[in-house]
Amino acid sequence: SQTIHQWPATLVQPVGSPLSLECTVEGTSNPNLYWYRQAAGRGLQLLFYSVGIGQISSEVPQNLSASRPQDRQFILSSKKLLLSDSGFYLCAWDRADGEKLFFGSGTQLSVL
Amino acid sequence: AQTVTQSQPEMSVQEAETVTLSCTYDTSENNYYLFWYKQPPSRQMILVIRQEAYKQQNATENRFSVNFQKAAKSFSLKISDSQLGDTAMYFCAFIQPGTYKYIFGTGTRLKVLA
Repeated sequence: SQTIHQWPATLVQPVGSPLSLECTVEGTSNPNLYWYRQAAGRGLQLLFYSVGIGQISSEVPQNLSASRPQDRQFILSSKKLLLSDSGFYLCAWDRADGEKLFFGSGTQLSVL
Repeated sequence: AQTVTQSQPEMSVQEAETVTLSCTYDTSENNYYLFWYKQPPSRQMILVIRQEAYKQQNATENRFSVNFQKAAKSFSLKISDSQLGDTAMYFCAFIQPGTYKYIFGTGTRLKVLA
C-alpha cells in the first residue's frame, strides 16, 4: 500500500532563518507531488506541484521554493523565513491529477 | 479562473440527524472532478467522496452522499445518521484534469452534538 511521510510535525523558527520540509511517498512510482499551505481558518492554497524529477511548477510568487531530487521525494525550502510564512503545510500526491489526492499529516510552522 | 465557494463557515447537527453542506463552483469546462475532504481535529486530510462531472449519478459512500447539479454548478454533501466522529472541517475541491491544480473552498466547520 502507498504511504506518505511528512516531517517535522511542528517547527518553530526565527524570522530570517532557513527552512527545509521534507515529504516522501512510498509504494508507488512517478507520483505527482504537491505542497499546499493552510492559513488559520482558511482553505488550502497550492504552492508548488511536480510531475517528475526536477520538474517544479510554482503557483504563487513567494519566499519559498521546492525541489524534487528523487522520484518520491519533495522538499519545501526557504533561505530566509518571513512572519507571513507561518502556517500549516501539507504535502500530497496523486497518480494522475483528478484521481485522488492523498495528504501527509502536515507541518505546523510558526515563524517568530 | 475556477473558484470554489463554501458559504457556510460553521454548522452543527444533532447526533443521528442528517446535515447538508453546500458547495458551488465556477468553471467553463465540461470535464472535471469534484471532491469532499474531511479534516478532523488531528488535521489529517481524508477523502470523503469523489464525483466525476461526466457521470450523472450522484456518488455515495456509506453515510455520505452528494447532490451534484452540473447545470447549477452545485455539489452538496449530505451526511446521514451523523456521528460524533463526523465533527471536522469539510472542504469542497475541484480539479480540471491536466492542470494539476486542485482548488479548495474555505471549508465548513461541522460540529456534531451529543
